[in-house]
Amino acid sequence: GDSVTQMEGPVTLSEEAFLTINCTYTATGYPSLFWYVQYPGEGLQLLLKATKADDKGSNKGFEATYRKETTSFHLEKGSVQVSDSAVYFCALGVIGNTGKLIFGQGTTLQVKP
Amino acid sequence: DAGITQSPRHKVTETGTPVTLRCHQTENHRYMYWYRQDPGHGLRLIHYSYGVKDTDKGEVSDGYSVSRSKTEDFLLTLESATSSQTSVYFCAISESGGLSYEQYFGPGTRLTVT
Repeated sequence: GDSVTQMEGPVTLSEEAFLTINCTYTATGYPSLFWYVQYPGEGLQLLLKATKADDKGSNKGFEATYRKETTSFHLEKGSVQVSDSAVYFCALGVIGNTGKLIFGQGTTLQVKP
Repeated sequence: DAGITQSPRHKVTETGTPVTLRCHQTENHRYMYWYRQDPGHGLRLIHYSYGVKDTDKGEVSDGYSVSRSKTEDFLLTLESATSSQTSVYFCAISESGGLSYEQYFGPGTRLTVT
């Protein structure tokens, strides 16, 4: 069945460092891919998405490219800030008109000043 | 921010008691979802609804039931709570079931079963 695998965390970086969080997926067909972010004590919110191969999603300095050949959707940011400290979830949209999402296990990012 | 509220926000209950969690939306979105969040598992879908009185199971539906009698409310019931159901529960809504549609999440309910 469909699944999403994220790199294990936590990830600890210094401010202004480069961030990569790896995400790979297994799916039949061509799902949409998402990154959601969860700040402490809050629900998830959409960070970015890509709906077809080679699409690049971007928002708030974060980027991810839908790579069909490597079944990956890695999240990157060139210079992280303390305010980026959160849990990041990679997710895929299951094909079929249900809107169901399958989430990875989440990666905790801590950015130190 | 999408208008989604969850109640209660925190609950402690004893094993074997019934528990109902409520999700309320003011967006008139057709699709609603219940997830549970556990360390190491991310979010897992419990049940979802694609319209009033139209519901279906997710991947971890055992021990849970849902009801949706109005567009704005989606109830999750634990018929007889167990310690394995201690978790944080999130409700989400979506305008459509299409692949590219965003889900909007509520603030969550932290449930502890003792």
